[in-house]
Amino acid sequence: GQQLNQSPQSMFIQEGEDVSMNCTSSSIFNTWLWYKQDPGEGPVLLIALYKAGELTSNGRLTAQFGITRKDSFLNISASIPSDVGIYFCAGRQGGSEKLVFGKGTKLTVNP
Amino acid sequence: KAGVTQTPRYLIKTRGQQVTLSCSPISGHRSVSWYQQTPGQGLQFLFEYFSETQRNKGNFPGRFSGRQFSNSRSEMNVSTLELGDSALYLCASRSSLNTEAFFGQGTRLTVV
Repeated sequence: GQQLNQSPQSMFIQEGEDVSMNCTSSSIFNTWLWYKQDPGEGPVLLIALYKAGELTSNGRLTAQFGITRKDSFLNISASIPSDVGIYFCAGRQGGSEKLVFGKGTKLTVNP
Repeated sequence: KAGVTQTPRYLIKTRGQQVTLSCSPISGHRSVSWYQQTPGQGLQFLFEYFSETQRNKGNFPGRFSGRQFSNSRSEMNVSTLELGDSALYLCASRSSLNTEAFFGQGTRLTVV
């Protein structure tokens, strides 16, 4: 099925560092979402973006909806150990309610 | 407010059997969607139900089916299980069609 291109696949960082990950697509999406999944849990919504060019923050997290509507990035500032997990981007195209997901970015934070 | 509840949490089935998974949405939520998560394919949309009607369906074979009851609870059925059906099956609910969904913890299905 259709998927988004999410990178990097994994990241190993030191506590306190900033993190950046992104998703791209060859198709236009009307909504971009960022989720975090902890082991044994379902994905939890972090940020939702609905407008091209939109920049939204949620605490130490900042995400942007690309102006072309084909990409989005997520930044995490001053990482802490509890940021460990897998981050997924997801997009929704016009006229469809289903979400298309990226394959995830596995984040490891060393204390 | 209780979250999305999926039962069972873990399941082991034999190839060729069928399985039914259950999802109870957040109280008041009328939309339930199902996703399959595997290491190889990631998260893939199966189908979505709203007010007992299937609104969207992903690219899965007819062995995968679902339904939604009048109380918004949903079940997903997989018949003639194959080894490749081993996955985490996630259910998500939302209150209406223009809101975002909340995911349950998933049912881990292993087919042997």
